[in-house]
Amino acid sequence: GQSLEQPSEVTAVEGAIVQINCTYQTSGFYGLSWYQQHDGGAPTFLSYNALDGLEETGRFSSFLSRSDSYGYLLLQELQMKDSASYFCAVRAMDSNYQLIWGAGTKLIIKP
Amino acid sequence: DAGITQSPRHKVTETGTPVTLRCHQTENHRYMYWYRQDPGHGLRLIHYSYGVKDTDKGEVSDGYSVSRSKTEDFLLTLESATSSQTSVYFCAISSQLGGTGELFFGEGSRLTVL
Repeated sequence: GQSLEQPSEVTAVEGAIVQINCTYQTSGFYGLSWYQQHDGGAPTFLSYNALDGLEETGRFSSFLSRSDSYGYLLLQELQMKDSASYFCAVRAMDSNYQLIWGAGTKLIIKP
Repeated sequence: DAGITQSPRHKVTETGTPVTLRCHQTENHRYMYWYRQDPGHGLRLIHYSYGVKDTDKGEVSDGYSVSRSKTEDFLLTLESATSSQTSVYFCAISSQLGGTGELFFGEGSRLTVL
């Protein structure tokens, strides 16, 4: 079956760098997405990786290793507004190409 | 921001009553989705649509039905609500299935079934 694993909570200090890992198990992998969700808000798209390597968008980067079924989201120069939950989601053939979501990682940032 | 509105935003109902949630988009996107979000779970797909009158089941479709008679509207119906259907429901839209397949979400509808 399909499964995604990510830490339930990560704590970091303002200005620091934090990495949120995601491992997945699926058949017919297509791509890995990351979404951010603030408390009480809607998820918003951050990044997408279909090929191995690092994708950078401003302070956020996302990495994928297809051979290891692993990816991560890297947040640099953390700001208090980055306090949110972060979800990885996989698109795969065995889910009819629909996204299968991890349970989310709550990022707590301390001053 | 993508033009997606969900209604109602909050609803309290009793077990056994029917409930319909509405999702309306102004983006003319082909794909529309209904998800539910519960603590400890990510988003779980209930149903999705890839065009007018074309819908399919997601991973948690039991107890739910959908209809899409117009491109802009996607309705989610709970024929007989149960307490296990207490959740936050999100509608999402996308213009493509491949590529990034970026989803744009509505603000959510919080449903409480007593």
